[in-house]
Amino acid sequence: EIVLTQSPATLSLSPGERATLSCRASQSISSYLAWYQQKPGQAPRLLIYDASNRATGIPARFSGSGSGTDFTLSISSLEPEDFAVYYCQQRSNWLTFGGGTKVEIK
Amino acid sequence: QVQLVESGGGVVQPGRSLRLSCAASGFTFSSYGIHWVRQAPGKGLEWVAVIWYDGSDKYYADSVKGRFTISRDNSKNTLYLQMNSLRAEDTAVYYCARGFYCNGGSCYLDYWGQGTLVTVSS
Repeated sequence: EIVLTQSPATLSLSPGERATLSCRASQSISSYLAWYQQKPGQAPRLLIYDASNRATGIPARFSGSGSGTDFTLSISSLEPEDFAVYYCQQRSNWLTFGGGTKVEIK
Repeated sequence: QVQLVESGGGVVQPGRSLRLSCAASGFTFSSYGIHWVRQAPGKGLEWVAVIWYDGSDKYYADSVKGRFTISRDNSKNTLYLQMNSLRAEDTAVYYCARGFYCNGGSCYLDYWGQGTLVTVSS
């Protein structure tokens, strides 16, 4: 099983700041990585797939990068609605999810 | 618009059974593989199972293999999850989600239902 490790567990930032979230895979997954956003009481929403492709309707302030084992989700300037939990997910070998990073208001 | 609506959750005793449903609309259901993903209270996401677009293949997480069965009725645009021999650790919100950009059963998930809560407790 491919294990995804997300860091940090919690990121405390202010609106307007840049957020940088990390996801590390236990083995190479090429670019087969997605990022999801989840708000309390809601289902996850697909943000990024294949490491760097924005899903339909996702604002340009969200960007993804990386390949192999190290990946990054960046939010260029945090909007109030961006404070949420973010999960990475690989599809190189079935599906596994990372443990999540909570982006909270500082 | 694409919609997935789960139902069938509730409180059930350990060892008993429950069947979840996921009603799909807004897309050609019979053309997509569909997954179940669960989330224990306050925890992360765990993939549970997938069924091919035509029902020809099904795969399960080790944690539910032999106890859960995924199925679908394309004439009714509905997905099912039959859960037997339930355990306390199966307590979670269960989501159905559409597979996207797949390689076999390895997919991203582009549309999710709102989830249905299953609580296993005596």
